[in-house]
Amino acid sequence: SQTIHQWPATLVQPVGSPLSLECTVEGTSNPNLYWYRQAAGRGLQLLFYSIGIDQISSEVPQNLSASRPQDRQFILSSKKLLLSDSGFYLCAWSVVRRGFNYGYTFGSGTRLTVV
Amino acid sequence: EDQVTQSPEALRLQEGESSSLNCSYTVSGLRGLFWYRQDPGKGPEFLFTLYSAGEEKEKERLKATLTKKESFLHITAPKPEDSATYLCAVQAGAGGFKTIFGAGTRLFVKA
Repeated sequence: SQTIHQWPATLVQPVGSPLSLECTVEGTSNPNLYWYRQAAGRGLQLLFYSIGIDQISSEVPQNLSASRPQDRQFILSSKKLLLSDSGFYLCAWSVVRRGFNYGYTFGSGTRLTVV
Repeated sequence: EDQVTQSPEALRLQEGESSSLNCSYTVSGLRGLFWYRQDPGKGPEFLFTLYSAGEEKEKERLKATLTKKESFLHITAPKPEDSATYLCAVQAGAGGFKTIFGAGTRLFVKA
């Protein structure tokens, strides 16, 4: 069965510090991978998605970047965090066939607080 | 502009009191509508996908329906363990990667 691992679960970082969140998927090959951010009382916002190694699309201009060094590994990074980067970050994977998304499987999330 | 609106924002029910959550959407080229359940501090858990108007799906006490403008998540005889935030999302466009999420409905079920 497919599983998705995301870490760390919580993170408190000072403004201006770097960030690295990691996500790995097991039990599937060539998954579509996503990074979402969830703000309190608001819907999930798509940050990045990837259809393959080194193939990454950015949906929202921001202080963040993403990389996919291996087929089942997706990393969210920042060189210098801003207060506005605080939020709940979710990694997800999905199957997309013929333009239809069959639904996301989400990781457990990372609560990032920038102080 | 593609949009997903969920109502109510919060819903408080007594155990056994059936009700419905609403998800209205305005998107061009609907490819699918999804329902997720999210417990506090955790990632959303997939419940259903609906693809066309008139479609219905059920899982335990939950039943999801879809029309051309909205979807309902019916909860029959809820239990306290059904308390969670329920998220609605729609896939817009043919790419398969653009999914718009609503803000969710927080459901509280009291014993």
